[in-house]
Amino acid sequence: GNSVTQMEGPVTLSEEAFLTINCTYTATGYPSLFWYVQYPGEGLQLLLKATKADDKGSNKGFEATYRKETTSFHLEKGSVQVSDSAVYFCALMGSGNQFYFGTGTSLTVIP
Amino acid sequence: GAVVSQHPSWVICKSGTSVKIECRSLDFQATTMFWYRQFPKQSLMLMATSNEGSKATYEQGVEKDKFLINHASLTLSTLTVTSAHPEDSSFYICSARADRNYEQYFGPGTRLTVT
Repeated sequence: GNSVTQMEGPVTLSEEAFLTINCTYTATGYPSLFWYVQYPGEGLQLLLKATKADDKGSNKGFEATYRKETTSFHLEKGSVQVSDSAVYFCALMGSGNQFYFGTGTSLTVIP
Repeated sequence: GAVVSQHPSWVICKSGTSVKIECRSLDFQATTMFWYRQFPKQSLMLMATSNEGSKATYEQGVEKDKFLINHASLTLSTLTVTSAHPEDSSFYICSARADRNYEQYFGPGTRLTVT
């Protein structure tokens, strides 16, 4: 079946620190992979995605590379800002277009 | 853009009553929509897949008679929580898959509190 395992939080970083949030997946076939962000009191927003192996998704300084050999899609950012404080969800889209989400990682960036 | 709205954004109801949540795709058509449930500090769990003009497909463990889904048009799906109980209190989120490009867009969610 399909599942996503995501690094547990919460994560607290100082501004300008390097961020990595680990995500691994189990899937039948070749799913598309996503990172979504949820700011306090708001809905999910697509951060980035990758649709096939070795693709790199990037947006707002965040990056993630689809690694088929390690079934991973780790999220990275070189220098976080206070405004990046949010909950981050790794997800895969199955063959029926339904999403399977990780448990979410709460990030707090302190000045 | 592609916007999905949900109404209401939050609702409080008494135990035993029913409450309807609407999910609308505002500027695109969506034959397929999805309903998720999110408990505090937890991830989203898929409840059901809603297809316009046909019966919804429910995930294992989701009571179809309790969570009634109707997808009456290409821009509207509704989730009705029947005979609500406090344990149904949760954040309900829908997503709509655009027919034009198969991209999926999420609604802002509806917070349900059952007292």
